[in-house]
Amino acid sequence: EAQVTQNPRYLITVTGKKLTVTCSQNMNHEYMSWYRQDPGLGLRQIYYSMNVEVTDKGDVPEGYKVSRKEKRNFPLILESPSPNQTSLYFCASSLGFGSANEKLFFGSGTQLSVL
Amino acid sequence: QKEVEQNSGPLSVPEGAIASLNCTYSDRGSQSFFWYRQYSGKSPELIMFIYSNGDKEDGRFTAQLNTASQYVSLLIRDSQPSDSATYLCAVNIGRYSSASKIIFGSGTRLSIRP
Repeated sequence: EAQVTQNPRYLITVTGKKLTVTCSQNMNHEYMSWYRQDPGLGLRQIYYSMNVEVTDKGDVPEGYKVSRKEKRNFPLILESPSPNQTSLYFCASSLGFGSANEKLFFGSGTQLSVL
Repeated sequence: QKEVEQNSGPLSVPEGAIASLNCTYSDRGSQSFFWYRQYSGKSPELIMFIYSNGDKEDGRFTAQLNTASQYVSLLIRDSQPSDSATYLCAVNIGRYSSASKIIFGSGTRLSIRP
């Protein structure tokens, strides 16, 4: 089954404790991206990657890191989480270029709480 | 001004009626437009996309695009309780067809009352 797999689904942590949220897709998609969703603010892009070893900042990259060492994986790293990073996070992927290839497929989401 | 604006709702529509959801965007050069549906606690899923002026129909859903007035609409005919969800409008503000320039609105919550 074609899918984007995110783990964990729920995560509670404390300020300053490094964490990683994993994302993997099995559709051979070139493009992968991370979003955070907050009430009233919609989905905001954190980082994206057009291909292996190619990453770029989105609209709200502060406090986050990403890497794209393999095509299928795109982990999100919070080196020193803070309470303002409490949010619902989504990983998404698409073929990338071309009108028909912009359609985004989303993972099931990670609800993160930073205490 | 936000790049993609939607009325947050909630929009309440009786079952069987037409639900009309609207979205305006600021970048006149935008070329691709999407509607995603998001059930509470779930991830967004694509239900419609439109690239040219006019209407595009898919089952009970119709997307309408007016680039002169910079708005895109989603009509849901014969609304069902299962249509109750948040609908996210997304616009590609880039000059090239790349998923990296897709901006989302904050969503409209739709409630279909039996």
